[in-house]
Amino acid sequence: DQQVKQNSPSLSVQEGRISILNCDYTNSMFDYFLWYKKYPAEGPTFLISISSIKDKNEDGRFTVFLNKSAKHLSLHIVPSQPGDSAVYFCAAVRTGNQFYFGTGTSLTVIP
Amino acid sequence: NAGVMQNPRHLVRRRGQEARLRCSPMKGHSHVYWYRQLPEEGLKFMVYLQKENIIDESGMPKERFSAEFPKEGPSILRIQQVVRGDSAAYFCASSPQTRLEFNYGYTFGSGTRLTVV
Repeated sequence: DQQVKQNSPSLSVQEGRISILNCDYTNSMFDYFLWYKKYPAEGPTFLISISSIKDKNEDGRFTVFLNKSAKHLSLHIVPSQPGDSAVYFCAAVRTGNQFYFGTGTSLTVIP
Repeated sequence: NAGVMQNPRHLVRRRGQEARLRCSPMKGHSHVYWYRQLPEEGLKFMVYLQKENIIDESGMPKERFSAEFPKEGPSILRIQQVVRGDSAAYFCASSPQTRLEFNYGYTFGSGTRLTVV
């Protein structure tokens, strides 16, 4: 029962351009959404989050958009940098402390 | 990932042996979570513990898996009689309080990669 889905396993973007990573969810009860970044052989690192009462949250080069009616969120990285190359996981949480993670999108930023 | 310490980083066990994975949360964090990442999959929740209490173990397999977070010392995830399907990366995360009070997510450790041969 995959409640959070990332349908694109990989994405390649030129340095300086925008990276858009997408995530869909099925449970309308989720009240918080997060993006994590993961390098090989390391644990995930928190990147940015958004409450379900908002539709946008921005932090530097990273912006997360939430479309509740479509049950869709996206992470925009602009401008993309080679150091952004990593696997990005979206996660969702409702009451309780269990995060539901997507399967990840591997981003490659080409210099 | 600084602060949440997991060891060992790599663990190889033969089928039928026991695996013990340890997690020391960040200083001041009293909430510990274990997640498992199987090959080609995302992270799956296993268990949430506070000191001396299991709060939510809804993601734990019913048999062979157990977890504890004693008053003193690290949290331990124990897998008895390991099978090849247990091969995965096991991540521990910690937080200082319940999620109701944070918006920054957990702090994850670097994981333990268990290989069952």
